[in-house]
Amino acid sequence: QKEVEQDPGPLSVPEGAIVSLNCTYSNSAFQYFMWYRQYSRKGPELLMYTYSSGNKEDGRFTAQVDKSSKYISLFIRDSQPSDSATYLCAMRTSGGYNKLIFGAGTRLAVHP
Amino acid sequence: DAGITQSPRHKVTETGTPVTLRCHQTENHRYMYWYRQDPGHGLRLIHYSYGVKDTDKGEVSDGYSVSRSKTEDFLLTLESATSSQTSVYFCAIGPDRANTEAFFGQGTRLTVV
Repeated sequence: QKEVEQDPGPLSVPEGAIVSLNCTYSNSAFQYFMWYRQYSRKGPELLMYTYSSGNKEDGRFTAQVDKSSKYISLFIRDSQPSDSATYLCAMRTSGGYNKLIFGAGTRLAVHP
Repeated sequence: DAGITQSPRHKVTETGTPVTLRCHQTENHRYMYWYRQDPGHGLRLIHYSYGVKDTDKGEVSDGYSVSRSKTEDFLLTLESATSSQTSVYFCAIGPDRANTEAFFGQGTRLTVV
């Protein structure tokens, strides 16, 4: 079993839809939770970052962490064609070696 | 954009040949990482470095070696390329103990035929 599970999709939605992307994990020691966005043939870029549990909002994007369920989510409101990309969740522990563990990535397509 | 340059950007090589990929950074960052990205697997860590001449293995290190003789350069070598090493390779700087964010290069698309 992978430490981080993420449905690879693809997910196709119409412009303006609310998108929900999710990851589950097995390591209860994870404290930092991130979402990276990766456009085709580019490197990933950090989109959202949350420490421990709770919600974080940035414009149209909301990240949620539920440590009791070992479940994280990224919501995109009013999705735009420019949001079409692969979204990768990533996590790491707070101590020791700083390794990031990535999910497989979910490919999202927002069509006009 | 963080100053990370990967070279080459594309390479086709034959099975059994050695290949070296280069990552160059201008951020003076202590931590550097090499990942490979394959469909269904996301990014998997190959090797990382926490300083000049200080390197360690990641989860998929078999068949790969690394070297870091200068802060700005981190080299990944495939000693004898195999078809299973066909992948997209990404270099990253960070995270470190103070900062969670990793900054990635543009990637190197390697095909082993």
